[in-house]
Amino acid sequence: NAGVTQTPKFQVLKTGQSMTLQCAQDMNHEYMSWYRQDPGMGLRLIHYSVGAGITDQGEVPNGYNVSRSTTEDFPLRLLSAAPSQTSVYFCATRAGGANLGELFFGSGTQLSVL
Amino acid sequence: GQQVMQIPQYQHVQEGEDFTTYCNSSTTLSNIQWYKQRPGGHPVFLIQLVKSGEVKKQKRLTFQFGEAKKNSSLHITATQTTDVGTYFCAGRSGGYQKVTFGTGTKLQVIP
Repeated sequence: NAGVTQTPKFQVLKTGQSMTLQCAQDMNHEYMSWYRQDPGMGLRLIHYSVGAGITDQGEVPNGYNVSRSTTEDFPLRLLSAAPSQTSVYFCATRAGGANLGELFFGSGTQLSVL
Repeated sequence: GQQVMQIPQYQHVQEGEDFTTYCNSSTTLSNIQWYKQRPGGHPVFLIQLVKSGEVKKQKRLTFQFGEAKKNSSLHITATQTTDVGTYFCAGRSGGYQKVTFGTGTKLQVIP
């Protein structure tokens, strides 16, 4: 079991470029989410999904798009990268249902936008 | 929207000293979780508290959930260098699925 796999681990973009951060999980978790981590600001929720075909916005959704066509994958798209999106991005998953337990995190993607 | 604050932001302790981080939510929480992130790593789940006034222990770590379910604390007794990292609380309100993380407390342990 790989758990939660994020790719790429590092990425450098120029302002205005687009890219997709990939997140895949093999734990059959219904809930998937994207966080960004910036110094002194903790982890802020970007978007989340409670199942295939269902997505919703978190605290800081602007500039990011998501889709959930399968249970396993939850890609995060930056349509036109900006320097303010320089951050470390984490994908996190959780089993669904009434017992909302721990989040399992991927190893992160460090993104720099120049 | 829900806000979760943690204090202190940073803490330096001598090895063997105790350490406490506090978490305060602007809204009543359904549950609270604690995570540890080692330098360069990803957050790893430590524990979940659900009941008002709940106290749980994991070896040298003691976790508390406030009576009003709006605050929580993590206390580490006799810190070790392996305790170095950033500790986050994370809470969920009402029936909402999303989890809001606190700002984190970065712990440095001086040998």
